[in-house]
Amino acid sequence: AQSVSQHNHHVILSEAASLELGCNYSYGGTVNLFWYVQYPGQHLQLLLKYFSGDPLVKGIKGFEAEFIKSKFSFNLRKPSVQWSDTAEYFCAVKGNTDKLIFGTGTRLQVFP
Amino acid sequence: DADVTQTPRNRITKTGKRIMLECSQTKGHDRMYWYRQDPGLGLRLIYYSFDVKDINKGEISDGYSVSRQAQAKFSLSLESAIPNQTALYFCATSDPSGGENIQYFGAGTRLSVL
Repeated sequence: AQSVSQHNHHVILSEAASLELGCNYSYGGTVNLFWYVQYPGQHLQLLLKYFSGDPLVKGIKGFEAEFIKSKFSFNLRKPSVQWSDTAEYFCAVKGNTDKLIFGTGTRLQVFP
Repeated sequence: DADVTQTPRNRITKTGKRIMLECSQTKGHDRMYWYRQDPGLGLRLIYYSFDVKDINKGEISDGYSVSRQAQAKFSLSLESAIPNQTALYFCATSDPSGGENIQYFGAGTRLSVL
């Protein structure tokens, strides 16, 4: 069965710090990978996605993620966070079932 | 995404009551989904529908039912609400044509069962 692990449950950073959020999945076949962001009180929005090609994908607001197939990972990064990045971040994977499996989420708090 | 509309946005109800959450979309997508979000558990799939005549159970369908009234409408019902159904509920839509099948979410319905 497919599953997604996000090991960082709560991350607290100061503005301008670098960010890396971990995401590991378990599935042996071809996967599509996603990061969604949920700002306080809002719905989930797609941050970035990987389907094929270059394993380093760039999303909105300066975020990027790298797909490392050998490590079953799709970590999210941003070189310098802003207060407005405070949100909850969800990694999700889609295998051959065409259903999205979400991780438990990482709550990011950025202080000025 | 304003193209996926959920009503109501907030609802408080009592144990044993029947509740219906509505979802409508103007994206023209065939596929629609209902998730619940609980703190520390992420989003879990309740039901999904790949077209009007196709409805499937997700991982946590017990205690819920759905109705796909039209391509644009997908309702979630709690026949007899219980307190552990207190959660944030999201509807989503997707379109697999074109290969990517990205899901787009509504703003959510916060349900409290007392």
